Amino acid sequence: DAEITQSPRHKITETGRQVTLACHQTWNHNNMFWYRQDLGHGLRLIHYSYGVQDTNKGEVSDGYSVSRSNTEDLPLTLESAASSQTSVYFCASSDVREGPTGELFFGEGSRLTVL
Amino acid sequence: DAKTTQPTSMDCAEGRAANLPCNHSTISGNEYVYWYRQIHSQGPQYIIHGLKNNETNEMASLIITEDRKSSTLILPHATLRDTAVYYCIVANSGYALNFGKGTSLLVTP
Repeated sequence: DAEITQSPRHKITETGRQVTLACHQTWNHNNMFWYRQDLGHGLRLIHYSYGVQDTNKGEVSDGYSVSRSNTEDLPLTLESAASSQTSVYFCASSDVREGPTGELFFGEGSRLTVL
Repeated sequence: DAKTTQPTSMDCAEGRAANLPCNHSTISGNEYVYWYRQIHSQGPQYIIHGLKNNETNEMASLIITEDRKSSTLILPHATLRDTAVYYCIVANSGYALNFGKGTSLLVTP
């Protein structure tokens, strides 16, 4: 079955280190998204992509970057991890080429702790 | 995108209908109403969406008022497994969805 997977599921790192969270989907979806979730804030959009070579900033993009070199992957990079980036990160994908489904498919999440 | 307002939390007895309200008074004509839920620490799950008309699927019903300024998600026979955070989102077709804090629904035995 097609799916969306995130790795690693859990990571502990130190302040200042570069961290990359991987997101891979096998649905051949055009659209991919990264969210972070913190207590008291719900889900907040970090970056998103509507296709290869396309990337866009969400509401909390500072300190994060993404690149889309193929359809299946949208890695999220923290250039210099900060304690404020300790969070649970969710990747999602969708395909609206056939109409306004708006249905996002989410991964299981990656829990990042920055010490 | 239009903003939404939802109650922070709600309770519902098992077997009863759960009616979750959402206010979106600034919605524009081409914006859809989407509902998602998130069970415990899992990734959110799509429930239903609509534009103007009421919608129903195997999970829930979506009632949108005629002026489209508010909507209600109805879980007809709530079960303990429906305990989750429910998000109401308003967005243009194909645009990135901005989730708020949602409504925490507790279904009790």
